[in-house]
Amino acid sequence: AQKVTQAQTEISVVEKEDVTLDCVYETRDTTYYLFWYKQPPSGELVFLIRRNSFDEQNEISGRYSWNFQKSTSSFNFTITASQVVDSAVYFCALRETSGSRLTFGEGTQLTVNP
Amino acid sequence: NAGVTQTPKFQVLKTGQSMTLQCAQDMNHEYMSWYRQDPGMGLRLIHYSVGAGITDQGEVPNGYNVSRSTTEDFPLRLLSAAPSQTSVYFCASSYPGLAGTSNEQFFGPGTRLTVL
Repeated sequence: AQKVTQAQTEISVVEKEDVTLDCVYETRDTTYYLFWYKQPPSGELVFLIRRNSFDEQNEISGRYSWNFQKSTSSFNFTITASQVVDSAVYFCALRETSGSRLTFGEGTQLTVNP
Repeated sequence: NAGVTQTPKFQVLKTGQSMTLQCAQDMNHEYMSWYRQDPGMGLRLIHYSVGAGITDQGEVPNGYNVSRSTTEDFPLRLLSAAPSQTSVYFCASSYPGLAGTSNEQFFGPGTRLTVL
């Protein structure tokens, strides 16, 4: 069965600090998809990134970057120069090709203080 | 496009009452899902559908029913509400993607349900 673990329940940083959110996953599939979603205080879920298991290239989008390592089954998310608007709950999720289910981690509450 | 819409936004029920949470999407997505979000537990899959007329159970299906008579709509029915069903419910939809791919899921705004 697939599983996603986000060991950091809460992280608090001061504005402009860099912060990394950890995500570790378990799956038996050789092909799978990993996602990150952001849930701001308003409650909606915002898609951030999708990564295929056969593409281990790291990705950067502005202040956001993602480090995918199959060898350690991790898909970590780094925010550079954090801002107060980054305060949200961040979810990592896994989808196997053998099914249509999306399995979420427990989420990490990030608070960026001014 | 309205995307994924959910009604109502808030609902309070008494134990034993039944109700239906509505979900609709106008993107012609084949996949639709229902999740519940509880503090410290992330989102858990209740039921999902890969197309009209096809539904399947997710991780926490007990106490809920679904049907998919059209591509656009995927209602979630609570048969006899219990306090343990107090949660925030999200509906999501996505394209199935080409073979070997997976597309992002689009989420509705959520329904906050309280069962007294």
